[in-house]
Amino acid sequence: GENVGLHLPTLSVQEGDNSIINCAYSNSASDYFIWYKQESGKGPQFIIDIRSNMDKRQGQRVTVLLNKTVKHLSLQIAATQPGDSAVYFCAENIGRGSQGNLIFGKGTKLSVKP
Amino acid sequence: ETGVTQSPTHLIKTRGQQVTLRCSSQSGHNTVSWYQQALGQGPQFIFQYYREEENGRGNFPPRFSGLQFPNYSSELNVNALELDDSALYLCASSLGRSGNSPLHFGNGTRLTVT
Repeated sequence: GENVGLHLPTLSVQEGDNSIINCAYSNSASDYFIWYKQESGKGPQFIIDIRSNMDKRQGQRVTVLLNKTVKHLSLQIAATQPGDSAVYFCAENIGRGSQGNLIFGKGTKLSVKP
Repeated sequence: ETGVTQSPTHLIKTRGQQVTLRCSSQSGHNTVSWYQQALGQGPQFIFQYYREEENGRGNFPPRFSGLQFPNYSSELNVNALELDDSALYLCASSLGRSGNSPLHFGNGTRLTVT
């Protein structure tokens, strides 16, 4: 399958622990942010999104935090499971008129040890 | 609900040739975006189609072109293939063109140019 994790920053966690994946975004005009999970041989899978008028949003086992002051986004995964092993990308949209252009970060490889 | 499907899954072409990649959008989605993902990198925006017209384009040369059909399916055409065009080509569909709804990706077409 696709080796999407080649030469990426890697986060290694023990099964059951919480994971925190960080992302610095580039444009202060960005108003919409998404986290994607990409497993080997597959396309990116939507995890959670957040708009710039919020600073926190929770999903099932995942939480996204947005700090617009320092242009920082994080994804927290609770009780990390082996199935969470993948490459995680943050993506930003720079606002109206950008015609749907998402700008992706470089990605972080999450490795979960059983 | 049918997800985004892409064909073919893998393709090998020779430098200078032309290629057409196909995508069927998720049911109910009227917007299709194409991305190029080089090995170990995040996806890069090529262009987006909405109501059969190009609705935004990334930093790709004119030999990258596309079409969207009345049923919202789409094609990506690349002429005069170069070795650097070797990548995973991802199609994503969404509802609306504003860029403020999540893109749902297919599993991509892996193109190898020799």
